[in-house]
Amino acid sequence: QVQLQESGPGLVKPSETLSLTCAVSGYSMSSGYYWGWIRQPPGKGLEWIGNIYHSGNTFYSPSLKSRVTISVDTSKNQFSLNLSSVTAADTAVYYCARGVATRHFDYWGQGTLVTVSS
Amino acid sequence: QSALTQPPSASGSPGQSVTISCTGTSSDVGGYNYVSWYQQHPGKAPKLMIYEVTKRPSGVPGRFSGSKSGNTASLTVSGLQAEDEADYYCSSYAGSNNLVFGGGTKLTVL
Repeated sequence: QVQLQESGPGLVKPSETLSLTCAVSGYSMSSGYYWGWIRQPPGKGLEWIGNIYHSGNTFYSPSLKSRVTISVDTSKNQFSLNLSSVTAADTAVYYCARGVATRHFDYWGQGTLVTVSS
Repeated sequence: QSALTQPPSASGSPGQSVTISCTGTSSDVGGYNYVSWYQQHPGKAPKLMIYEVTKRPSGVPGRFSGSKSGNTASLTVSGLQAEDEADYYCSSYAGSNNLVFGGGTKLTVL
């Protein structure tokens, strides 16, 4: 069974960089699939942030592209999200998920709340 | 890219059918057969219910079905059950390796 688990700081200061890691178990990332990040502000809807292919090719939401970096470490079977210059608007539950191309996500992590506040 | 448009709420009584719409444009919903639907219970991660407009992942009850006409996709839940009460989100491939979600619909089982 594929499982994903997000980890990282729950509190980030404004203007700093939000960094999260997603550990994957039950599936070798180097075997394929895309790996993505999705976020959900409190009480609001889902927003796609971006995907990475196991080879390292990345695809980002146009609205976040200037601030987002997604990387993969297949040796550790994990991938990471960096979001720079954060503001209170970036406060959200951040989910990692396995993607079938940039079409849909079939396995999701439980999500982690990141609050941007001084 | 703009979010897909969903009604904020929908409701039905147990045993009834309810349909949730998801309206986009010819650049997303209307242009590709890559519409998906997710169910999200409070405090939980989304769960894939429908992908590629009409396909159900293994384990998803047959009561859930998807369709599309033009720029609007729909999710139909037949034979409503209490556990179907949740938020539902649609998503669509939007070209150039972009993905867009809908604003979500809160389904209430009366």
